Amino acid sequence: GAGVSQSPSNKVTEKGKDVELRCDPISGHTALYWYRQSLGQGLEFLIYFQGNSAPDKSGLPSDRFSAERTGGSVSTLTIQRTQQEDSAVYLCASSFIGNTEAFFGQGTRLTVV
Amino acid sequence: AQRVTQPEKLLSVFKGAPVELKCNYSYSGSPELFWYVQYSRQRLQLLLRHISRESIKGFTADLNKGETSFHLKKPFAQEEDSAMYYCALSGGAGANSKLTFGKGITLSVRP
Repeated sequence: GAGVSQSPSNKVTEKGKDVELRCDPISGHTALYWYRQSLGQGLEFLIYFQGNSAPDKSGLPSDRFSAERTGGSVSTLTIQRTQQEDSAVYLCASSFIGNTEAFFGQGTRLTVV
Repeated sequence: AQRVTQPEKLLSVFKGAPVELKCNYSYSGSPELFWYVQYSRQRLQLLLRHISRESIKGFTADLNKGETSFHLKKPFAQEEDSAMYYCALSGGAGANSKLTFGKGITLSVRP
């Protein structure tokens, strides 16, 4: 079937605006991750959903960032009042359970101008 | 806490030379270790994991619990190995199961 799908592929937004990034995981995958990838910083963990457990939000950099996962499937990452330092590629990944192979989406490149 | 350290950002070698990409980890339990690779303009994908103990594209990695290391090795590098490589750790099931990545290393193989 289809892999992890993210939309949009690219997003340019003005500083101060809110953005929503979407992730469609592979069907049946109970674990879903959001990471941020920027030059020199590697893969920065943001948030982790695992089944019906409370999400691990320990990586969210500020309260401007939030994410939800509806019905155990699609996830949305929301960034409020975007800042230039939020510019990065946001990656979503899913897996059957947390400790198995994670499949990544192609990412959303966010540019805040 | 889970932590993965990749001490180098860039490794540049000539084709045919041996490659070793270093990875050290910190975890109090029994971790599962992975190497992920991202080729140019492609998605991040799994290269290998320690429990499978297999060689993928000529790469191997051995988990050394004494040194808390999981270095990736290849005896003879090829140009197509040029990519970004990330070492990752999972603590296993439950709340520790999330994947924690190192900062990654760029491998450049010159002709």
